[in-house]
Amino acid sequence: GENVEQHPSTLSVQEGDSAVIKCTYSDSASNYFPWYKQELGKRPQLIIDIRSNVGEKKDQRIAVTLNKTAKHFSLHITETQPEDSAVYFCAASKDAGGTSYGKLTFGQGTILTVHP
Amino acid sequence: EAGVAQSPRYKIIEKRQSVAFWCNPISGHATLYWYQQILGQGPKLLIQFQNNGVVDDSQLPKDRFSAERLKGVDSTLKIQPAKLEDSAVYLCASRRLPSGDSYGYTFGSGTRLTVV
Repeated sequence: GENVEQHPSTLSVQEGDSAVIKCTYSDSASNYFPWYKQELGKRPQLIIDIRSNVGEKKDQRIAVTLNKTAKHFSLHITETQPEDSAVYFCAASKDAGGTSYGKLTFGQGTILTVHP
Repeated sequence: EAGVAQSPRYKIIEKRQSVAFWCNPISGHATLYWYQQILGQGPKLLIQFQNNGVVDDSQLPKDRFSAERLKGVDSTLKIQPAKLEDSAVYLCASRRLPSGDSYGYTFGSGTRLTVV
């Protein structure tokens, strides 16, 4: 089955710096890669996602890049703010053109701390 | 739209007791998932339903865990008997079949189970 590795497990940055979290996946058939933010005691919230037919996607301060050949994808947060502090999870899924059922395999998570 | 409802929010039981969790997905979402999130880890899929049929239960410990989704709407997850290692947050998620660029899951707030 699919295996997703996520690094680093913890990341500490100063406010205004950039943060990068990297994930690798094992199943070349995976074609959907979401990123979730989870604050303490709360549900995972989707912050950005990318499909395998796209190499990069950006939404304001957040961007995701995908390298299908190397089977890795990364989350980039620019101009970090203290409210970005949370646990971030990457995930991978096989969504074959909208006909699959979309089981998500998650990475282990990255604890991001943004210091004011 | 209303979110995914889960209850109870918290549950403390002694080992060898039984417990049940309930999930009401977003109206019209045919796919429902139960994930187990152990502290410090990413969520792991336990079981996946499409309408009232099981699509994937390969990681469900069937000797103690059971789940059902009668009428293809609400779902219950049961543990009997519970073990200490079952202490975790149990997340329910639902998803409509993807269309366009929207592949998103919606997670419930989860049930935090502590087995003592």
